[in-house]
Amino acid sequence: GENVEQHPSTLSVQEGDSAVIKCTYSDSASNYFPWYKQELGKGPQLIIDIRSNVGEKKDQRIAVTLNKTAKHFSLHITETQPEDSAVYFCAASTSSGTYKYIFGTGTRLKVLA
Amino acid sequence: NAGVTQTPKFQVLKTGQSMTLQCAQDMNHNSMYWYRQDPGMGLRLIYYSASEGTTDKGEVPNGYNVSRLNKREFSLRLESAAPSQTSVYFCASSERLGDTQYFGPGTRLTVL
Repeated sequence: GENVEQHPSTLSVQEGDSAVIKCTYSDSASNYFPWYKQELGKGPQLIIDIRSNVGEKKDQRIAVTLNKTAKHFSLHITETQPEDSAVYFCAASTSSGTYKYIFGTGTRLKVLA
Repeated sequence: NAGVTQTPKFQVLKTGQSMTLQCAQDMNHNSMYWYRQDPGMGLRLIYYSASEGTTDKGEVPNGYNVSRLNKREFSLRLESAAPSQTSVYFCASSERLGDTQYFGPGTRLTVL
């Protein structure tokens, strides 16, 4: 079936460094790619998203890049801070035909002070 | 705005018992979703409702039923709980199918 692979599963960085998380999807019909941040005991919260007609999107310290040919997209966090520590999930969504919204397995990011 | 609310926050059931998880949203969204989250497996879609009056199966629907009671409320029912249904359950909503989803705080369910 369709799936989304996410790497790495854990990532530790020093405060101030950059963090990159990568996802690869299999369904070529996917056209919407959100990223969620989940803190302990809470539901996932959207932090940034990108649609298939755009190659890159930035929001302050966070950016997402999309390569539709290679079917992968990445989350970039610059100048990391301790409050960035959380689990991050990517997802790939298809709304044409049979609806699908498939999540990656998550990346636990630790920012070391 | 409370966003998406879920009740209860925690629940312990015995095998074979039934229960209903409640979800409500106050954002006037058309679409609502139920997910389960298990360690190492991310979130998996159980059922969704594209609009009031419609429901469809997601990736892992077996053992569950849903009801879209009205535009605000979407409930998930376990008729005969099994230990394999021990998980954290999240409800979400979006303006339309495929749009950004907003999640509730989750229900942690343990089936003994």
